[in-house]
Amino acid sequence: QSALTQPPSASGSPGQSVTISCTGTSSDISGHNYVSWYQQHPGKAPKLIIYEVSKRPSGVPDRFSGSKSGNTASLTVSGLQADDEADYYCGSYAPPHRVFGGGTKLTVL
Amino acid sequence: EVQVLESGGGLVQPGGSLRLSCETSGFTFSSSALNWVRQAPGKGLEWVSTIGDRDNTYYAEPVRGRFTMSRDLSKSTVFLQMNSLRADDTAVYYCAKGWFWADSWGQGTLVTVSS
Repeated sequence: QSALTQPPSASGSPGQSVTISCTGTSSDISGHNYVSWYQQHPGKAPKLIIYEVSKRPSGVPDRFSGSKSGNTASLTVSGLQADDEADYYCGSYAPPHRVFGGGTKLTVL
Repeated sequence: EVQVLESGGGLVQPGGSLRLSCETSGFTFSSSALNWVRQAPGKGLEWVSTIGDRDNTYYAEPVRGRFTMSRDLSKSTVFLQMNSLRADDTAVYYCAKGWFWADSWGQGTLVTVSS
């Protein structure tokens, strides 16, 4: 049950795009399509923004997109806005357990 | 509207016990999975446990044998009984709905293990 690997930080200017990676193993990310992404603002609960690798819950802007290749999943935030500044966590089903990444702090410059 | 509300956190001494509750509404509780996820101060998310719709339970290695997750169908509530608490169990504990991903989260309850 090792945590998924994310870069600790990422940054971009308003309007730009940024991609956050999430690396796992054949026991989690590459074994199925149950990869999810969560956004967490300071002092708030996490919020689901991507599920099943690339699907967005209702209400999540299409500026957020997800993908996967092999053992690595990615979250891309396009058209960066000030409110996108937050911590982002990837998650994966790792039967029968679940696992999260260590988190990436996204800074909007 | 799905609602998830945790309670039961507080200050407990090392070796002590605490029982967290998670009251839910707005979805079919009997056919849903619930999770406990914790976040130590300044740290990332850590999966703790999951209970499925057949009362099947799963635990992360650091808490296995010390924590027990259960549910009360009549109250749409899940519980986390935490025994033999250690300092590194100090965290905000979130309750979250979902099996393959967590689509609804509560605001969390803080557990502090300290003498």
